Amino acid sequence: AQTVTQSQPEMSVQEAETVTLSCTYDTSENNYYLFWYKQPPSRQMILVIRQEAYKQQNATENRFSVNFQKAAKSFSLKISDSQLGDTAMYFCAFPRRGDDKIIFGKGTRLHILP
Amino acid sequence: EAGVAQSPRYKIIEKRQSVAFWCNPISGHATLYWYQQILGQGPKLLIQFQNNGVVDDSQLPKDRFSAERLKGVDSTLKIQPAKLEDSAVYLCASSLDRTRSPLHFGNGTRLTVT
Repeated sequence: AQTVTQSQPEMSVQEAETVTLSCTYDTSENNYYLFWYKQPPSRQMILVIRQEAYKQQNATENRFSVNFQKAAKSFSLKISDSQLGDTAMYFCAFPRRGDDKIIFGKGTRLHILP
Repeated sequence: EAGVAQSPRYKIIEKRQSVAFWCNPISGHATLYWYQQILGQGPKLLIQFQNNGVVDDSQLPKDRFSAERLKGVDSTLKIQPAKLEDSAVYLCASSLDRTRSPLHFGNGTRLTVT
């Protein structure tokens, strides 16, 4: 079975700190894509970052970066210099091979404290 | 680029009534998804279209839910009759392809069934 697990239901950090959200997944595929999405309280889900599994280099988008460990099937999101606007639900997701169904984790609710 | 449009934004109905949601994806996006998101949980895929064909509707409660994608563009999701447990946010998303491209989400429709 292909699954996505986010083991941290909720986290709180002070503004300007660095925080890491974890995600593990299970797949038998060798080539796939992984995504982190952010859903602020206003509700619209937006893409944070995407990682291609066949690329060794970890993806980076400004303050957001991933620590991708393919062998361990781990795909964590690091937010540096956290800002109040980073407060949101964060979902890890990847498309399941075979039926291309996008599987989402249960999410991590992140609070950035002033 | 215009985003994914959804309407209405909010809907309150009584149980056993019917309701319909509308979605207009980003132009050129072949894949369209309807997700149900219950408060505090990750999105659950209800149905996935590739152009105007259904790719996956395994989690769509077909006795009460129906969906169609007109001419491979706009889509409607209908619930008839509604139950209390259908109270959720219904998210529409679109993407260029099924596995590599990120999902672009609409603002969602918050449905309350009383």
